[in-house]
Amino acid sequence: DADVTQTPRNRITKTGKRIMLECSQTKGHDRMYWYRQDPGLGLRLIYYSFDVKDINKGEISDGYSVSRQAQAKFSLSLESAIPNQTALYFCATSVPGQGWAGELFFGEGSRLTVL
Amino acid sequence: AQSVSQHNHHVILSEAASLELGCNYSYGGTVNLFWYVQYPGQHLQLLLKYFSGDPLVKGIKGFEAEFIKSKFSFNLRKPSVQWSDTAEYFCAVNGGGYNKLIFGAGTRLAVHP
Repeated sequence: DADVTQTPRNRITKTGKRIMLECSQTKGHDRMYWYRQDPGLGLRLIYYSFDVKDINKGEISDGYSVSRQAQAKFSLSLESAIPNQTALYFCATSVPGQGWAGELFFGEGSRLTVL
Repeated sequence: AQSVSQHNHHVILSEAASLELGCNYSYGGTVNLFWYVQYPGQHLQLLLKYFSGDPLVKGIKGFEAEFIKSKFSFNLRKPSVQWSDTAEYFCAVNGGGYNKLIFGAGTRLAVHP
């Protein structure tokens, strides 16, 4: 079983709909991240959380929100989806104590298409 | 603004050819450097990383990378590629006073038998 699990793996939705992408991990890591991958742009950080009570915006947080329900769960929401949010979304975790120098452990990705 | 540049967006090689993928960054000062790989249909995973010490870093599957501070570069190399190396490769950099991990745009490598 995957250590970092994302659901759904694929989702097609319409403009204006609310979408939630969920991430759960069994690695016991405190730090969790949401990244967005677009062709030719690499990965860009949306939000990150260093523990349950710590939520921080990344490079491209506009139009997104997150919830850290527990150490193991970190959800990403699109309150009103728009077509340019069509992308591959990755959740990741890392071990505390290494700052941003720690290895990231990624989920398998959630492909979102907004029509 | 800090940036990470991967010069080659698509690379096509035949098996047994040598590989070098470029990565340059714009930070000054101390940096932590990473190469991640994404095989088709799989999640990203760490290939190798450099924090300090020997600037020639060896990773998994025969890959290595060389940190050249004067050139702000961390190029990935493999002497002889295999079909199974077909993947997308991402360089990532942290440091220079910027408290995040910045990824390059990625290089898509296709290895033909």
